Amino acid sequence: DIQMTQSPSPLSASVGDRVTITCRASQNINNYLNWYQQKPGKAPKLLVYAASNLQSGVPSRFSGSGSGTDFTLTISSLQHEDFASYYCQQSYYTPYTFGQGTKLDLK
Amino acid sequence: QLQLQESGPGLVKPSQTLSLTCAVSGDSINNYYWTWIRQPPGKGLEWIGYIHYSGTTSYNPSLQSRVTISIDMSRNQFSLKLASVTAADTAVYYCAAIIRRVAALNWFDPWGQGTLVSVSS
Repeated sequence: DIQMTQSPSPLSASVGDRVTITCRASQNINNYLNWYQQKPGKAPKLLVYAASNLQSGVPSRFSGSGSGTDFTLTISSLQHEDFASYYCQQSYYTPYTFGQGTKLDLK
Repeated sequence: QLQLQESGPGLVKPSQTLSLTCAVSGDSINNYYWTWIRQPPGKGLEWIGYIHYSGTTSYNPSLQSRVTISIDMSRNQFSLKLASVTAADTAVYYCAAIIRRVAALNWFDPWGQGTLVSVSS
C-alpha cells in the first residue's frame, strides 16, 4: 500500500495566518493527490483534486501544489470557517489511502 | 445536483453482517463509479472499496475477505455488506461518488452525510 504522511499534526494558527499542510507519499504518485476538509460531525468535502485544481465553489485562499511524492495545501489567510481537519488522499494505486489528517485549531 | 444518502442499522452484533445502502439522486447510477469509506470514532479515513455498474469492483485487501459491494440500477442505489464484524468495525460509514478523468486520476465527490454503525452485543 502507498503510505501517506501528513505534517504537522495538529496545527495551531490564528485568523489571518498563512498556513501550509504537507503530505508525503511513500512512492511517486505523479499528481494523483486530492485534499479534503472535514468539520466535526460532517462528511469530508473535496477541496483540491489532481494536486492543484481547486474544486468549484472552494474559496481562492486555498491552493494545492506538488508532484511526485511531496505535496502541500496552503491557506493564504485563515478564516474562522477554515478551522477543521484536512486529509490528503492518493488515487495512484488501489487501495486508495488517506493521510492521517491534520487538525487545524485556533491558537 | 448529485446527492447520496446512506441508510441501515445503527447497531450490529459481533459476528453478524453489517449491511448499508446508499441511495443516489440527481443523476443516473450508470454515470459514475461508487465507493464506501469508513472512519472509526476520532480516527482517520479508510477506503473500503468501489463498484461500477458494469460489475467492476475493487476492495481494500485489508477487508477483501469480508466485503461485498453491489449495485441495483433499477433503484439507483448501491450497497455494502461486511461480514463477521467485530468492535473494530465500529465507524461512521460514508458512501461517495468517484469522479474519474483517466484511470488513476480520480477523486471522491460528493459524499453522503455518513451513518454511524456500532458493533456491540
